[in-house]
Amino acid sequence: AQKVTQAQTEISVVEKEDVTLDCVYETRDTTYYLFWYKQPPSGELVFLIRRNSFDEQNEISGRYSWNFQKSTSSFNFTITASQVVDSAVYFCALSLDQTSYDKVIFGPGTSLSVIP
Amino acid sequence: DAGVIQSPRHEVTEMGQEVTLRCKPISGHDYLFWYRQTMMRGLELLIYFNNNVPIDDSGMPEDRFSAKMPNASFSTLKIQPSEPRDSAVYFCASSLGPLMGYTFGSGTRLTVV
Repeated sequence: AQKVTQAQTEISVVEKEDVTLDCVYETRDTTYYLFWYKQPPSGELVFLIRRNSFDEQNEISGRYSWNFQKSTSSFNFTITASQVVDSAVYFCALSLDQTSYDKVIFGPGTSLSVIP
Repeated sequence: DAGVIQSPRHEVTEMGQEVTLRCKPISGHDYLFWYRQTMMRGLELLIYFNNNVPIDDSGMPEDRFSAKMPNASFSTLKIQPSEPRDSAVYFCASSLGPLMGYTFGSGTRLTVV
């Protein structure tokens, strides 16, 4: 069975602290795709990143970085020097089929609060 | 581009009434998705379209739910008759193709009383 686990339901940090959001996935497929989405208080989900299972290079985009480790089935997301605008719910998602969307599985989300 | 546009933003209706949610995807996006978000079940895919054709509606909870996409720029999700357990935020999203990130609309918060 395929599953996405985000064990951290809620996280609170003080502005400028670094924070890591955990994502653990389960699949027996060898080809899969991982995503992170941000849902700010306004409600809409915003696509952040996609990572293929055959590309384990970590990625950095400004204050955001992602650590993909197949050995531990994890795709963690780190925000460096957090800001109040980072407050949102963050979803990790797993897709197993490159031709079909019906197998996209979203995790339960982690609610991040950045306190000024 | 204005993004994915959903209407209404909020809908409050009485049990038994018909509810129609609307979505305008991003021009050029061939895929359109309807999701439902609740605290208990998280994000659930209800149905998706490719080039206006419904591809998979296995996530539609029951026959009371129906979705249409009469053209590339418009889709509706209808619930008839509505029930209190249908209360949720309904998102429409569109995408250029497989594995491209979704662009979500702002959602419709539906409350059935």
